[in-house]
Amino acid sequence: GEDVEQSLFLSVREGDSSVINCTYTDSSSTYLYWYKQEPGAGLQLLTYIFSNMDMKQDQRLTVLLNKKDKHLSLRIADTQTGDSAIYFCAEITGGSQGNLIFGKGTKLSVKP
Amino acid sequence: EAGVAQSPRYKIIEKRQSVAFWCNPISGHATLYWYQQILGQGPKLLIQFQNNGVVDDSQLPKDRFSAERLKGVDSTLKIQPAKLEDSAVYLCASSFEQGEAFFGQGTRLTVV
Repeated sequence: GEDVEQSLFLSVREGDSSVINCTYTDSSSTYLYWYKQEPGAGLQLLTYIFSNMDMKQDQRLTVLLNKKDKHLSLRIADTQTGDSAIYFCAEITGGSQGNLIFGKGTKLSVKP
Repeated sequence: EAGVAQSPRYKIIEKRQSVAFWCNPISGHATLYWYQQILGQGPKLLIQFQNNGVVDDSQLPKDRFSAERLKGVDSTLKIQPAKLEDSAVYLCASSFEQGEAFFGQGTRLTVV
């Protein structure tokens, strides 16, 4: 079945790098996404990667994709207290009319 | 560009009452999604529309939940009658292309 798995918590110190990991199940997923959710807010699209890529960099964010292992990671360089939030990994499943399936989210806590 | 608008932001009802949520997607976005996010979990897709047609409603509890998207723009999601376990944040999202979904702030429903 469809399942996106993430670890639930991550705690880092301000200025360190954070790495949030995710595994997904649908090998035909075309796009994989990282969303950020701050308390009381909706989900904000952070970045995405197309399945034929293995890395994408966008300022402080680096996404790594290992299709063989169905493993996706998000690295945040120089993590700031404002990065504290819940990060959701999501995959597109079901072909061209596919829908977005989310993991349970990883709560990132950044300590000063 | 205006984002996805949802109302109300908060709603408290008693069990067995009915409730409706409204969503106005980003202009020009053909795809509209309703997600249910229970506290501590990732968003779960309830229904996906493409214009005013339903693409996927396999996880919508049809005995009590209904949704419509008139004229392929605004959408309403209704629960009748509500149960305690329906307490959650209901998120609306829209996308122009497959997967790059933009989310509203959500409606937080509490059923007492």
